[in-house]
Amino acid sequence: NAGVTQTPKFQVLKTGQSMTLQCAQDMNHEYMSWYRQDPGMGLRLIHYSVGAGITDQGEVPNGYNVSRSTTEDFPLRLLSAAPSQTSVYFCASTRAGGIRTGELFFGEGSRLTVL
Amino acid sequence: AQSVTQLDSHVSVSEGTPVLLRCNYSSSYSPSLFWYVQHPNKGLQLLLKYTSAATLVKGINGFEAEFKKSETSFHLTKPSAHMSDAAEYFCVVSENTGFQKLVFGTGTRLLVSP
Repeated sequence: NAGVTQTPKFQVLKTGQSMTLQCAQDMNHEYMSWYRQDPGMGLRLIHYSVGAGITDQGEVPNGYNVSRSTTEDFPLRLLSAAPSQTSVYFCASTRAGGIRTGELFFGEGSRLTVL
Repeated sequence: AQSVTQLDSHVSVSEGTPVLLRCNYSSSYSPSLFWYVQHPNKGLQLLLKYTSAATLVKGINGFEAEFKKSETSFHLTKPSAHMSDAAEYFCVVSENTGFQKLVFGTGTRLLVSP
């Protein structure tokens, strides 16, 4: 059971570079989301999607883009990396009603450093 | 808006002693509350959930939590700590603001010594 798979696990970028964090799930979940985790701040929602072709902003969307062309994949794009985007990024998914019962399934995280 | 406050950033216990991780919530209506656990370099995993059924909720690995509306608390407990319990624990509340969102606390790191 692969679950939620994130790549890469580690990445170092220079300011201004762009990159894409990949997220794939094999559970046929409708809902997918991206969070960032910073020390002392818990997890904050960046973007989420309730199905293929449907995305929306979370609480900290600036500097990030997403798209959802398939049920399985939900990539997160950093258009022009900034040091403030240094963080650990988590992708999470759940079935359509799962968000109400809090049953998110998380990937193992992608640690991004922007110099 | 909903919010949760985890009262301790770090909790240290000895193996075999009880664990208490404290969480207070703020909600304008009856909330759904959850505890997640994150082991080092891993993703988060749902430990237990309260969704307006029984106020005492049992989770995995011997953890349980009690929803106390009068105290606006949802503390996580375990009678006897094990070394494998060392991890970070997040208290989470579900918020409905047009879309369903989970609001995470800042986390409590549990340290277990032999």
